[in-house]
Amino acid sequence: EAGVAQSPRYKIIEKRQSVAFWCNPISGHATLYWYQQILGQGPKLLIQFQNNGVVDDSQLPKDRFSAERLKGVDSTLKIQPAKLEDSAVYLCASSLKQGRHAFFGQGTRLTVV
Amino acid sequence: GESVGLHLPTLSVQEGDNSIINCAYSNSASDYFIWYKQESGKGPQFIIDIRSNMDKRQGQRVTVLLNKTVKHLSLQIAATQPGDSAVYFCAENSYSSNTGKLIFGQGTTLQVKP
Repeated sequence: EAGVAQSPRYKIIEKRQSVAFWCNPISGHATLYWYQQILGQGPKLLIQFQNNGVVDDSQLPKDRFSAERLKGVDSTLKIQPAKLEDSAVYLCASSLKQGRHAFFGQGTRLTVV
Repeated sequence: GESVGLHLPTLSVQEGDNSIINCAYSNSASDYFIWYKQESGKGPQFIIDIRSNMDKRQGQRVTVLLNKTVKHLSLQIAATQPGDSAVYFCAENSYSSNTGKLIFGQGTTLQVKP
């Protein structure tokens, strides 16, 4: 079974620029998550989708972050404009349905300079 | 609010010894708990899970114990190997809720000395 695919693996941008991350979840998984993991900390949930609907985005900084899940499959997370404190690893995960353990991609390491 | 925390940031053990990693949670509504292992440069990897209707669950070399009375979770690794060196996270979710969120704690670094 193919895992969760994320791209790019690494990205370096200047502050105030924009960036987008892409995620392809495991086939058939209805629930998709985006997490932000700052160095030395646990993953922090940014947004959770159930199919193409948003279940929770209470921790998403909506003035600069946006996410969508097209047709309930792939998802993109965008940051515009980026700040220095956005430097982190952005992890995408998927699960068969809500309330189950999730499978994670390798993440995108973002450095904002 | 919800929080899942770990007692110790770093645990150092000798190869072959048993390891115990602890976790405290605060959300009484959580009924599903998961342990993840994260190696450097990789995403978290599922190890074992347990639902709140159980006190103990065993896997291959790993055991998870759940004490709902004191809201405590532990991961036991038998005969720890160098390949077990990683950061371990506990996470909580709601198995029975339609709006369950997967929430992580801060993590414990396990260092295995040869």
